[in-house]
Amino acid sequence: GDSVTQMEGPVTLSEEAFLTINCTYTATGYPSLFWYVQYPGEGLQLLLKATKADDKGSNKGFEATYRKETTSFHLEKGSVQVSDSAVYFCALSPHASGGSYIPTFGRGTSLIVHP
Amino acid sequence: DSGVTQTPKHLITATGQRVTLRCSPRSGDLSVYWYQQSLDQGLQFLIQYYNGEERAKGNILERFSAQQFPDLHSELNLSSLELGDSALYFCASSVQGERETQYFGPGTRLLVL
Repeated sequence: GDSVTQMEGPVTLSEEAFLTINCTYTATGYPSLFWYVQYPGEGLQLLLKATKADDKGSNKGFEATYRKETTSFHLEKGSVQVSDSAVYFCALSPHASGGSYIPTFGRGTSLIVHP
Repeated sequence: DSGVTQTPKHLITATGQRVTLRCSPRSGDLSVYWYQQSLDQGLQFLIQYYNGEERAKGNILERFSAQQFPDLHSELNLSSLELGDSALYFCASSVQGERETQYFGPGTRLLVL
């Protein structure tokens, strides 16, 4: 079946540091890829997405590029802020032509940003 | 605010009991998903409904069942509860359900004592 692997946390950074959270996936066909963010006490919310190879998703200074050749969708931000502290989930949603609608999420990576 | 509502916000019950969690999707969304989030298992997909019919089933126990009603709201029924069922239960919705962004509700925190 499909799977998503993301780096384990917590990732601890100082404010204005560069962030990378690695995510790799296995899936049949051409899934859509997502990064969701979960702030304490809240549900997940979409951060960015990409629907086909070489697409770059971006939002609030975060970026991720859909790399089919390496089956990766790494999340990056050039300068993190304390308010970015949250749990980040990489996810895929399969193309139904592959016979599955089941979305798959990584285990989440906790990010802690210190002032 | 995602537009997805879940009730109740918190639920405390005893082992062996049965509870019902309710979800109202965003206006216009036809697809509803249920997830269980726990510290040791992460976010686990349980089941998806599309326009009243079951579309995909994940790691859902036989003690758990769900349905989506004609007005598109959904209910997740958990029975014969065990201590290990204590978790956050999220509902999410999307327009159609294929390769789309999911919009998550705030969750129901279930504590089984």
